[in-house]
Amino acid sequence: DIQMTQSPSSLSASVGDRVTITCRASQSISNYLNWYQHKPGKAPNLLISSASTLQSGVPSRFSGSGSGTDFTLTISSLQPEDFATYYCQQSYSTPITFGQGTRLEIK
Amino acid sequence: EVQLVESGGGLVQPGGSLRLSCAASGFTFSSYWMHWVRQAPGKGLVWVSRIKSDGSSTRYADSVKGRFTISRDNAKNTLYLQMNSLRAEDTAVYYCARDDYGDAYVYWGQGTLVTVSS
Repeated sequence: DIQMTQSPSSLSASVGDRVTITCRASQSISNYLNWYQHKPGKAPNLLISSASTLQSGVPSRFSGSGSGTDFTLTISSLQPEDFATYYCQQSYSTPITFGQGTRLEIK
Repeated sequence: EVQLVESGGGLVQPGGSLRLSCAASGFTFSSYWMHWVRQAPGKGLVWVSRIKSDGSSTRYADSVKGRFTISRDNAKNTLYLQMNSLRAEDTAVYYCARDDYGDAYVYWGQGTLVTVSS
């Protein structure tokens, strides 16, 4: 199974900050990497697919990069609605695996 | 509008069974692979199972293999998850999700809570 490791596990930041979350795969997954935002009581929201493709309706302050084993999600200027938990997910092979999540909190 | 609505969750004793349903609308259900993903209380997202659009192929996480069965009825636009031999560690919110981009999910249901406890 491919293990996905996110860092940090939690992060405190302020509105307007630039934030980067990293995700590392235990083996190469090419660009089969997706990012989700998840808020309590809601369904997860796909932000980025194929490592860097921004989904329709997702603000341009979100961006993704990377390939192989190392990936990043960047939020260029945090907004109040961005405080949530973020997950990376590899779709290279089954079993599909998620990172453990990064909880983004207000400082 | 695409909608996925799960049902069937509830409280069940260890060793018991439960069948979850996911009613789909607003799209051609028979054209999409479908998945189940779960989240235990205070934990992260975990993939559970996947089924091909015509139901001919299924895959499972090791933690549920042999106990859970995914199926679908394309005539009824409904996805199912039959859960047998339930354990406390199966306690979670279960989401159904549509496979939009090769195992990436744009559309999710709202989730249904399964609690396994005596």
